[in-house]
Amino acid sequence: AQTVTQSQPEMSVQEAETVTLSCTYDTSESDYYLFWYKQPPSRQMILVIRQEAYKQQNATENRFSVNFQKAAKSFSLKISDSQLGDAAMYFCAYRSEGETSGSRLTFGEGTQLTVNP
Amino acid sequence: DAGVTQSPTHLIKTRGQQVTLRCSPKSGHDTVSWYQQALGQGPQFIFQYYEEEERQRGNFPDRFSGHQFPNYSSELNVNALLLGDSALYLCASSLLPGTGRAFFGQGTRLTVV
Repeated sequence: AQTVTQSQPEMSVQEAETVTLSCTYDTSESDYYLFWYKQPPSRQMILVIRQEAYKQQNATENRFSVNFQKAAKSFSLKISDSQLGDAAMYFCAYRSEGETSGSRLTFGEGTQLTVNP
Repeated sequence: DAGVTQSPTHLIKTRGQQVTLRCSPKSGHDTVSWYQQALGQGPQFIFQYYEEEERQRGNFPDRFSGHQFPNYSSELNVNALLLGDSALYLCASSLLPGTGRAFFGQGTRLTVV
């Protein structure tokens, strides 16, 4: 079974600064997807960024980028130019390539991000 | 285009009772998955429905059951509620086969007293 570990329960960053959230995972599969989701107080999970394991290039979405190290099974999220609206719980998640649907995800424990003005 | 909608938003039940939670998937989606998120933890996969059948199941007891209707909406039923069932229940929809993206609803907060 796959596991996802987020070792930072809480992180804080000053507005406009850069912060990196860590995630490691364990799997015996070679093909899979990794995700970062944001969960604000509204509770709705919002997809931030997605990485396919077969792609060597790190995914980027505006101010959000990842550092995907497949051999090390590491998948960190970098948020640049942090904004007050980035404050939320962030979850790292794993999905097998073998799954035919996009919905079965294995989540980490989450990292609570605080953005200080 | 309506996203994933869940009802009710909040619910309080007594230990031993039964509860039904509802989910309407995003328009065009045919697959619904349910997750349980205990306070301060990440979501845990309960089960997934496609073509009105349970296709995959996580490590949850038989007290947790579900149903999917012809219009793709879904229900999650929990019998003999325990205090430990108190959690946020999230519904996610996707298209099978799909691009890998799941859309989540805002969840139902269940409190068992």
